[in-house]
Amino acid sequence: QQPVQSPQAVILREGEDAVINCSSSKALYSVHWYRQKHGEAPVFLMILLKGGEQKGHDKISASFNEKKQQSSLYLTASQLSYSGTYFCGTEMDSSYKLIFGSGTRLLVRP
Amino acid sequence: DTGVSQNPRHKITKRGQNVTFRCDPISEHNRLYWYRQTLGQGPEFLTYFQNEAQLEKSRLLSDRFSAERPKGSFSTLEIQRTEQGDSAMYLCASSPKGGPYEQYFGPGTRLTVT
Repeated sequence: QQPVQSPQAVILREGEDAVINCSSSKALYSVHWYRQKHGEAPVFLMILLKGGEQKGHDKISASFNEKKQQSSLYLTASQLSYSGTYFCGTEMDSSYKLIFGSGTRLLVRP
Repeated sequence: DTGVSQNPRHKITKRGQNVTFRCDPISEHNRLYWYRQTLGQGPEFLTYFQNEAQLEKSRLLSDRFSAERPKGSFSTLEIQRTEQGDSAMYLCASSPKGGPYEQYFGPGTRLTVT
C-alpha cells in the first residue's frame, strides 16, 4: 500500500523546473507533500484533499487526480534551497494515518 | 522551527535495555503521531493519538513498543528490550484541530542500539 514516487532522483540547474509524481493503488482521501533536508525533520509543503481542497505554501503547486489516485508536485524556477528529499504521504478514508513513499531526491546545482 | 520538540535528540543504548523518548507537540494541537524512519526511507507510521486516546497502532509495532499521551499533552514512546533492528530516527508530529490537518514534525530522536 506504500505509494510509488517517481523519479527516484533528479538533478536540476538553478532555474529549471521539475515534476515529482506519487501514485497509489488504493483510493485516497488526501495526499500530503513534505520536503526533508539531510539531518532535519520533514517540512510540510502541501496537502490535497479529495474533492479539490488544497492547503500549502504559495510558491508550491500540486495536483491530485482522484480517478487515477495520482498526485504531482510542481517545482518551478528551482532554487538551491529546493534541494532535499521530497516525500508524499497518502491517506485513505480520513483515517489521519499517512503512508509515505520512499522519496524523491532532488539536487539543484548553481 | 515547527514548534514540536523531542528529547533526547540522540540515544545510544545496549541491546536489551529499555529506552523512553518524549515528544512535546505544538500547543493546542490535539493529534499527535509517532513515526520511525530509517536511512533512505520515508517515515513509517507507528501510532497516533487524538487528545489522550490512542486511536491506531501499526501492526508493525511489536509488543515491545508502547506509547502514552497522558492528559492529551506530551507523549512518550517506550521501547523495551531493544534490538539492533530498532536503530532508527523516531519522529513525532502533531496536527491542529479541524482540517486540513497538516502534520508538523519534530527534529526526531536518533536511536542507536549497540
